[in-house]
Amino acid sequence: DGGITQSPKYLFRKEGQNVTLSCEQNLNHDAMYWYRQDPGQGLRLIYYSQIVNDFQKGDIAEGYSVSREKKESFPLTVTSAQKNPTAFYLCASSLTAGTRGWNEQYFGPGTRLTVT
Amino acid sequence: AQSVSQHNHHVILSEAASLELGCNYSYGGTVNLFWYVQYPGQHLQLLLKYFSGDPLVKGIKGFEAEFIKSKFSFNLRKPSVQWSDTAEYFCAVNPLNTGFQKLVFGTGTRLLVSP
Repeated sequence: DGGITQSPKYLFRKEGQNVTLSCEQNLNHDAMYWYRQDPGQGLRLIYYSQIVNDFQKGDIAEGYSVSREKKESFPLTVTSAQKNPTAFYLCASSLTAGTRGWNEQYFGPGTRLTVT
Repeated sequence: AQSVSQHNHHVILSEAASLELGCNYSYGGTVNLFWYVQYPGQHLQLLLKYFSGDPLVKGIKGFEAEFIKSKFSFNLRKPSVQWSDTAEYFCAVNPLNTGFQKLVFGTGTRLLVSP
């Protein structure tokens, strides 16, 4: 059963702690993305990776870090520097991220992070 | 600033009513346009997309959208909604000058269809 998995579904952390959100895909996609979804703000791009060992900042990268050591995995770390970390985080992947033709982005089920 | 606007944040309709959700974008260059849907408890999924050609595009589940270039709009329509259409709908734009397949999302519209 191919797809994108994100774990856990709900995550609770104390302020000041770093937390890592998992994203795994078995679609053999080169490109992966992290979005943040807040009520009334839609989805905003945090980081994206076009290929293994490469990643780029999106629109709201401050306070976040990522790694892409394996094609199927793109973990996101929410650091203590992120001022408003409580949000719903969505991971996505696509066959490629290049601009030669469109490759649909497939989304995972999301992780809801609550920081108190 | 470049953005995607969805003017209706919450829409409540009765079953069989017609639906139109507005989407406007402010990118001046060539764009690809999308509507995504997020049903309660489910993944975000693609409803329909427009790249070029016929400005009236049809998607899944009876949805369609019309691209009006002069108005920078891509409104979503459905002639007769069902209770199962209750979901959050997102308009998204892919500006073709960013160097990668970037999606910029609108703020979303929550649709509630009452039986």
